[in-house]
Amino acid sequence: DTAVSQTPKYLVTQMGNDKSIKCEQNLGHDTMYWYKQDSKKFLKIMFSYNNKELIINETVPNRFSPKSPDKAHLNLHINSLELGDSAVYFCASLGSGTHTGELFFGEGSRLTVL
Amino acid sequence: EDKVVQSPLSLVVHEGDTVTLNCSYEVTNFRSLLWYKQEKKAPTFLFMLTSSGIEKKSGRLSSILDKKELFSILNITATQTGDSAIYLCAPKASGTYKYIFGTGTRLKVLA
Repeated sequence: DTAVSQTPKYLVTQMGNDKSIKCEQNLGHDTMYWYKQDSKKFLKIMFSYNNKELIINETVPNRFSPKSPDKAHLNLHINSLELGDSAVYFCASLGSGTHTGELFFGEGSRLTVL
Repeated sequence: EDKVVQSPLSLVVHEGDTVTLNCSYEVTNFRSLLWYKQEKKAPTFLFMLTSSGIEKKSGRLSSILDKKELFSILNITATQTGDSAIYLCAPKASGTYKYIFGTGTRLKVLA
């Protein structure tokens, strides 16, 4: 069973469209994140939720809206997509117990905006 | 503002060489630092460091933290082609959930 799973893995869409990426973790962790990785492989934090509550909201355009329906799920909705949104988006959850402090990453969702 | 700088940005070595990767940070109220390896997909966890001077080791990889000089190093001995990857470090402050990643070091190991 994949611990942190994201869907879709690949997404190709036109500028101006709206799209969503979903993330689910089956590790029982309380805290989840969205990171954006650009073409130079720089991983930039976007959002974090702890038990469905938004705790980190970096300087991200408000076209990006995260939603956490429960602590196992964190989705990312993007409105009015722009070329610069093309990137790999990684979901992660924060470990607890013997894995306290460790980030567990999903496999990423590659978004290409044409 | 918190800052993380990794060096070198990229490195090409031959199998069997030893490499040292550096992560310098400026983080107010530093708590811990993570090291990750990223090949094609998700970053995978290597080490978490919280105390100065205590080496963490896993096979040919080892890492140490210097909280006075604000850096960590990751050593890989007897490198193999499978070590080719991007290595990322991410420090964190106390009382926050925010991990800030460095730009990464891209390592290529030639056979």
